[in-house]
Amino acid sequence: GDSVTQMEGPVTLSEEAFLTINCTYTATGYPSLFWYVQYPGEGLQLLLKATKADDKGSNKGFEATYRKETTSFHLEKGSVQVSDSAVYFCALKGLGAGNMLTFGGGTRLMVKP
Amino acid sequence: DAGVTQSPTHLIKTRGQQVTLRCSPISGHKSVSWYQQVLGQGPQFIFQYYEKEERGRGNFPDRFSARQFPNYSSELNVNALLLGDSALYLCASSLAPGGNTGELFFGEGSRLTVL
Repeated sequence: GDSVTQMEGPVTLSEEAFLTINCTYTATGYPSLFWYVQYPGEGLQLLLKATKADDKGSNKGFEATYRKETTSFHLEKGSVQVSDSAVYFCALKGLGAGNMLTFGGGTRLMVKP
Repeated sequence: DAGVTQSPTHLIKTRGQQVTLRCSPISGHKSVSWYQQVLGQGPQFIFQYYEKEERGRGNFPDRFSARQFPNYSSELNVNALLLGDSALYLCASSLAPGGNTGELFFGEGSRLTVL
């Protein structure tokens, strides 16, 4: 079945540092890929998405590129802020899966001033 | 506009009891999905409903059931609660199911503790 593997956290960075959170997936066909973010006390929010190979999703300074050859969708940001502290989830949706997302285990990011 | 709203936000039950969680989707959204998020893990899909019909079910026992009402709100019921049912239960809505570009909008969840 489909699965998503994320690097384990917590990831602790200083403000303005470069961020990479690794995400790899296993799925048949060409799934859509997502990054969701969960701020403390809030629900999941869609951060960015990519629906086909080589697509780059971007939002709020975050980027991720859909790499079919390496089955990866790594999240990056050039300069993190304290306000980026949250839990980040990589997820996929397979063809015909309706609204069934398969999530990774999440990576907690802590940014220190 | 109001987002996805869930109630109650927190609740405590004992083993063997039953619980009902409620969800109101964003206005105009006709599809509701339920997810279980155990502490420290990613959400797991439980159910999807669209136009009051079940459109998908995850790998959960029959103790879990759900329904969707004519106004598109939804309830998740869990019977014979076990300690392992302790989790954050998330509701998500979307305009319609299917398609690879559809975005899910999540509520803040109902945190269930089973003692």
